[in-house]
Amino acid sequence: KAGVTQTPRYLIKTRGQQVTLSCSPISGHRSVSWYQQTPGQGLQFLFEYFSETQRNKGNFPGRFSGRQFSNSRSEMNVSTLELGDSALYLCASSLEGLRPDTQYFGPGTRLTVL
Amino acid sequence: GEDVEQSLFLSVREGDSSVINCTYTDSSSTYLYWYKQEPGAGLQLLTYIFSNMDMKQDQRLTVLLNKKDKHLSLRIADTQTGDSAIYFCAERALYNQGGKLIFGQGTELSVKP
Repeated sequence: KAGVTQTPRYLIKTRGQQVTLSCSPISGHRSVSWYQQTPGQGLQFLFEYFSETQRNKGNFPGRFSGRQFSNSRSEMNVSTLELGDSALYLCASSLEGLRPDTQYFGPGTRLTVL
Repeated sequence: GEDVEQSLFLSVREGDSSVINCTYTDSSSTYLYWYKQEPGAGLQLLTYIFSNMDMKQDQRLTVLLNKKDKHLSLRIADTQTGDSAIYFCAERALYNQGGKLIFGQGTELSVKP
């Protein structure tokens, strides 16, 4: 089975721009979660989608949004980019997203904001 | 609230055992996970334990859970240079419906030959 894939792997943007990141979960997985990883804040939960609905949300501003399609693929969008948005964005998929459902992580998208 | 704490660095010699420690604050029943991250890569799930267990062993990995002290440890036997990575402890509380994990800051394990 193919693992979680994320595209693009690297991205460079400038302040004020917007960006869309994509995540394709493992086949059959219906839950997709997004995390932001920075040296200062570590790994922080952004949001989770299940069956095209946002089921859980972390403490991030409204500039961060996401969606999930009927094939479980997910996208996240960051509008009006700030320097502090530079991070590794990780996507994780699981069957249902319930305990102890194993979450499998993708390789991440490295976003650099200049 | 939810909080997970780990020490930041650990250095061991090849062949020794490594013990990585983690404390969590959530008192509700929970699942606790250990993930490994190698440079430039995503997170790889190593193992998990439910809070009604005290210990779980999987090949070179042993997880110990002290519920009273809310302390979790990961022991890696016969540590190899390929085990050098950052190890994250994560928890998911019982009341948490869905896929949200709370991660510690990560422990960077350095294995010297």
